[in-house]
Amino acid sequence: QSVLTQPPSVSAAPGQKVTISCSGSSSNIGRNYVSWYQQVPGTAPKVLIYDNNKRPSGIPDRFSGSKSGTSATLGITGLQTGDEADYYCGTWDSSLSAGVFGGGTKLTVL
Amino acid sequence: EVQLVQSGAEVKKPGESLKISCKGIGYSFTNNWIGWVRQRPGKGLEWVAIIRPGDPETRYSPSFQGHVTISADKSISTAYLQWNSLKASDTAIYYCARGGVVVEPTTWDHWGQGTLVTVSS
Repeated sequence: QSVLTQPPSVSAAPGQKVTISCSGSSSNIGRNYVSWYQQVPGTAPKVLIYDNNKRPSGIPDRFSGSKSGTSATLGITGLQTGDEADYYCGTWDSSLSAGVFGGGTKLTVL
Repeated sequence: EVQLVQSGAEVKKPGESLKISCKGIGYSFTNNWIGWVRQRPGKGLEWVAIIRPGDPETRYSPSFQGHVTISADKSISTAYLQWNSLKASDTAIYYCARGGVVVEPTTWDHWGQGTLVTVSS
């Protein structure tokens, strides 16, 4: 059971928009920045969003992040087949004094 | 260019010891946190432990405290994850990742290629 809760899967057609939610608590998302990671099967995770809504250089603006209270959301617009991957939210839990991840969401582009 | 280069795949028996490594290249190794993440076959990411090589301050996720040891040798820019007695349930890919310099790191911006650890009798 992960500390952060994500839907197991989402799907949408190419060109459409999808959102992935991440729910936590006051000890993690409620007081710390959230980051999002993309993991294509067989490869290492890659950061997509950091500090709730910032994109590293090289990440297209089709990817966006937001946070409100103890929840965060990743948005992806203009879906492409290459976006099919597992997506994880992550942050720090100040009560556990440890990093935490969501359980991951598998994105299928139909 | 920042890189994290991990040691190769390992096959061990239950009860054996193991130490895997992660070498940081292209940045100041002492200031940034380095963490280890476990991914069991077909499962999600789990934090194991983190270390700030310059101190070295360490923090362990509660599920792993007492079962693994994280360490670092800043003279060769390398972090380690060590087991004294492996279990079959330790079978997984272990990734190292570079964090920020803040007290409670929330972003891991570079990742190693992963080390597959297989524990089987």
